[in-house]
Amino acid sequence: AQTVTQSQPEMSVQEAETVTLSCTYDTSESDYYLFWYKQPPSRQMILVIRQEAYKQQNATENRFSVNFQKAAKSFSLKISDSQLGDAAMYFCAYRSAPETSGSRLTFGEGTQLTVNP
Amino acid sequence: GAVVSQHPSRVICKSGTSVKIECRSLDFQATTMFWYRQFPKQSLMLMATSNEGSKATYEQGVEKDKFLINHASLTLSTLTVTSAHPEDSSFYICSASYSYYGYTFGSGTRLTVV
Repeated sequence: AQTVTQSQPEMSVQEAETVTLSCTYDTSESDYYLFWYKQPPSRQMILVIRQEAYKQQNATENRFSVNFQKAAKSFSLKISDSQLGDAAMYFCAYRSAPETSGSRLTFGEGTQLTVNP
Repeated sequence: GAVVSQHPSRVICKSGTSVKIECRSLDFQATTMFWYRQFPKQSLMLMATSNEGSKATYEQGVEKDKFLINHASLTLSTLTVTSAHPEDSSFYICSASYSYYGYTFGSGTRLTVV
């Protein structure tokens, strides 16, 4: 079974600074998807960014980018120019390619990000 | 697009009663719905996966008779917590797969059993 590990329960960053959240995963599969979700105080889950394992290029969405290291099974999220609205719980998630084991998401433990003004 | 509406957002019930939580896909057909439970400051724990028209698949340790899941149509899935007790108090979230790798989440239901 796949596992996802987020080793930083809490992180803090100053407004306008950059922060990196770590995520590692364990899998024997070669084809899969990785996600970062954000859960603000409202508790609504919001997709931040997605990465397909077969793509070598790191995904980027505005101020959010990932460092995907497939061999190391690492998938970190970098938030640039941090804003107060970025404060949230961030979850890393893994999904197998559907033809192998279905479409469920496996979540990490989460990292609580605080943004200081 | 791809919105899941979850109701109620908050519910308080008495111990021993049953509570139903609904999740409706508003603009797509949700063939697969996932139900999660989340404790404060913790991750989402998958309780069960339901496919339209078939029985739900429950995760190990989840009581099927306590958490009844019905997915009778492509737009509606329900979770009924039967004979609720204070230990069932939690935050429940539904999620639907709307594309090959797209997921949308309901806004969650905070259940308090008194």
